[in-house]
Amino acid sequence: QQQVKQSPQSLIVQKGGISIINCAYENTAFDYFPWYQQFPGKGPALLIAIRPDVSEKKEGRFTISFNKSAKQFSLHIMDSQPGDSATYFCAASGGSRLTFGEGTQLTVNP
Amino acid sequence: EAEVAQSPRYKITEKSQAVAFWCDPISGHATLYWYRQILGQGPELLVQFQDESVVDDSQLPKDRFSAERLKGVDSTLKIQPAELGDSAMYLCASSYGQTYPYEQYFGPGTRLTVT
Repeated sequence: QQQVKQSPQSLIVQKGGISIINCAYENTAFDYFPWYQQFPGKGPALLIAIRPDVSEKKEGRFTISFNKSAKQFSLHIMDSQPGDSATYFCAASGGSRLTFGEGTQLTVNP
Repeated sequence: EAEVAQSPRYKITEKSQAVAFWCDPISGHATLYWYRQILGQGPELLVQFQDESVVDDSQLPKDRFSAERLKGVDSTLKIQPAELGDSAMYLCASSYGQTYPYEQYFGPGTRLTVT
């Protein structure tokens, strides 16, 4: 049973543009929502995470927006750069066990 | 910066052979996880350890997969016999504990190809 749905599957953005990736979850017991960035041949790296008691968290060019009532959260990458080209995974957990989304392959064109 | 170490980075094995992967978590991290990541998908948890004890192995195919963390530090994941469908990236992750914020740090993974 897929508990975290991620979209889009792939995304192409021009340099300087805004990249937006969306996730929806089903389990209301989830209380931790991280985003991971993965480059080819590498393990996922923790990018930013949010708790459900806040609606937004910003770290540099990366922002998570969280809508508890809709059970949705999204990653916004401002001023996207070619170096941001990677696969991004959202995840959710209600304990230490993470459930990942399917991933979004982001390409930022120069 | 402390990192999760994994070896080998790449492994090619024939169907029905045995294969093993090793993971050394970040020093001081009590919780260790093994994930399998099929190409184009997100990681899926296989097994979770708290120190030397298995906390969750509900998704581990126990007829062919085994995992151990004997001294509560490094860990080994074994597949015997390997099947074609086992071709995937095997990722190890660690975290300080099982309490919030559950931050997990991943190693570089072992890419397994079964022929």
